[in-house]
Amino acid sequence: NAGVTQTPKFQVLKTGQSMTLQCAQDMNHEYMSWYRQDPGMGLRLIHYSVGAGITDQGEVPNGYNVSRSTTEDFPLRLLSAAPSQTSVYFCASSYYDPRTGVRSYNSPLHFGNGTRLTVT
Amino acid sequence: GENVEQHPSTLSVQEGDSAVIKCTYSDSASNYFPWYKQELGKRPQLIIDIRSNVGEKKDQRIAVTLNKTAKHFSLHITETQPEDSAVYFCAASSEKLTFGTGTRLTIIP
Repeated sequence: NAGVTQTPKFQVLKTGQSMTLQCAQDMNHEYMSWYRQDPGMGLRLIHYSVGAGITDQGEVPNGYNVSRSTTEDFPLRLLSAAPSQTSVYFCASSYYDPRTGVRSYNSPLHFGNGTRLTVT
Repeated sequence: GENVEQHPSTLSVQEGDSAVIKCTYSDSASNYFPWYKQELGKRPQLIIDIRSNVGEKKDQRIAVTLNKTAKHFSLHITETQPEDSAVYFCAASSEKLTFGTGTRLTIIP
């Protein structure tokens, strides 16, 4: 198993440009999510999905779009990059136990290696 | 939504001593509490987790305790070693997993 694969590892954008961060997992996990990590602020949830065709907003969704057309892939799109989006982005997936209820989560997250994005 | 507070933000301990990191959470519906370790330039990796029906869990030198009444949980690392130096994150989960802001642990040889 490759686990969670993120591409690219590094990216530099100019303000206003758009791009897509790719995330794929081969563990058949229903739950996938995107976090951004900034110094002193921990990991903040951007968007998440509990299955194909289902997405929802996290703590800091503005400026980002996601889609989940397959179980394996969960791309994150920056529509018009801003310097405030300079950060390290992590994709993460986990097993989702429906017995805990709709949109509930109770199993370990597996993280990708991250994408370091700089917006100038 | 859930709010997780983590203390201290930095912690230095002598090699061989114990380290304790504490977290509080706000949502009484949270039922899963993992701890992640992140080494410099690497991804976060799970080191231990606890569910709300358990008060304590131990794995070799690492232990986690949970007090549901007070809504706080703690990570205990005993006999610290230089390789324990890293940033540690707590998290709490009801509908979504919310992370604390992290503790930078430095082990002094």
